[in-house]
Amino acid sequence: QVHLVQSGGGVVQPGRSLRLSCVASGFDFSIYGMHWVRQVAGRRLEWVAVISFEGSNEYYADSVQGRFTISRDNSKNTVHLQMSSLRRDDTGVYYCAKDGTDYNYMYSFDHWGQGSQVTVSS
Amino acid sequence: SYVLTQPPSVSVAPGKTATLTCGGNNIESQSVHWYQQKPGQAPVMVLYDDSARPSGIPERFSGSKSGNTATLTINRVEVGDEADYFCQVWDGASDQTVFGGGTRLTAL
Repeated sequence: QVHLVQSGGGVVQPGRSLRLSCVASGFDFSIYGMHWVRQVAGRRLEWVAVISFEGSNEYYADSVQGRFTISRDNSKNTVHLQMSSLRRDDTGVYYCAKDGTDYNYMYSFDHWGQGSQVTVSS
Repeated sequence: SYVLTQPPSVSVAPGKTATLTCGGNNIESQSVHWYQQKPGQAPVMVLYDDSARPSGIPERFSGSKSGNTATLTINRVEVGDEADYFCQVWDGASDQTVFGGGTRLTAL
């Protein structure tokens, strides 16, 4: 059974940094792309970033490009999201999500972590 | 940028059929995925590639597309189906992943 267990999150001041982590189990982590998706304003879902299965390719939403970095460690079945220069509009619940297609990323999310609240406030 | 439009809410009596729509320009050319989100929980995929059901999703959930509209149909709605439902596509033309604004399904 697939499990994605997240850690990190919290309250942070604007301009500061925060790191989210997601530990995967129940599937061959090393052959699936992994994403971060956030939910803002209580309901709107927004894709944030993806990393390829081997970690060689990363793509970001325009809203976080240059501020956020996605990374993975296949030896630890873990994906991270390093968030820097945080802004108030980055506030929301952040989910890690597994891509539904192996050896590629087709931007469908077949399993999700439990979510991590990130609040950017002074 | 590509936009997906969903009605904010749909109400249906238990046991009846719920029809949730997702509008997008030429959505017939896209692969549409649907997610169910109950209060305080993470989203769960209920359909992928327009109409395929992940393991564990009841056959009561089905999907279709026509023209500029994709549809999630839930037969014999149960109170436990009450949730927000989001459609999603990856638009190759703009290289963007797009979610609809979500529809809140109420069974009453």
